[in-house]
Amino acid sequence: DARVTQTPRHKVTEMGQEVTMRCQPILGHNTVFWYRQTMMQGLELLAYFRNRAPLDDSGMPKDRFSAEMPDATLATLKIQPSEPRDSAVYFCASGLARLATNTDTQYFGPGTRLTVL
Amino acid sequence: QKEVEQNSGPLSVPEGAIASLNCTYSDRGSQSFFWYRQYSGKSPELIMFIYSNGDKEDGRFTAQLNKASQYVSLLIRDSQPSDSATYLCAATTGGFKTIFGAGTRLFVKA
Repeated sequence: DARVTQTPRHKVTEMGQEVTMRCQPILGHNTVFWYRQTMMQGLELLAYFRNRAPLDDSGMPKDRFSAEMPDATLATLKIQPSEPRDSAVYFCASGLARLATNTDTQYFGPGTRLTVL
Repeated sequence: QKEVEQNSGPLSVPEGAIASLNCTYSDRGSQSFFWYRQYSGKSPELIMFIYSNGDKEDGRFTAQLNKASQYVSLLIRDSQPSDSATYLCAATTGGFKTIFGAGTRLFVKA
């Protein structure tokens, strides 16, 4: 049963602290996405990778957020320093980009619920 | 700003009825379109994708795409209370960048 896994599932931290969220994409998938979801903004794309290379991180506040893929089985999203406005659910999704049909079905992980006090 | 627009709802339908969910997109370069279902407190799960004009059917679900009108819809036949959820429409460009709509909340009354 192939699934995207994310850790931690819940994180409560204080303003100014560093937060690292991890994602293990489905084996064989070549694209990884990071989203943030809040009631006010909905689901926002922060960054995405294909074959571990960052393709677009324009949705991410560059001064405090960073996303990396150290290897094909691990993607990380880091916030330093964290702020209360970063409180949200952060989803990782992975997919297999099919150039022939321009489809890229994404499979979401369970999310990390972040609360910054 | 490329956008995907959905009516936030809630849309309420009786059990057994057809639920019709609509979505418009602003980027004419969008090539693939997705419908995801999200239950409260859960992650989005894919229902269907469509990339050609016309209808695509999968069980009780039918996705419809009209690129000229930049319009995507999802029909749910024989709606069940278990279909009650938020439905997210998404559009992807050739670069695989995906924009999600805010979602439509659907309630199916037993």
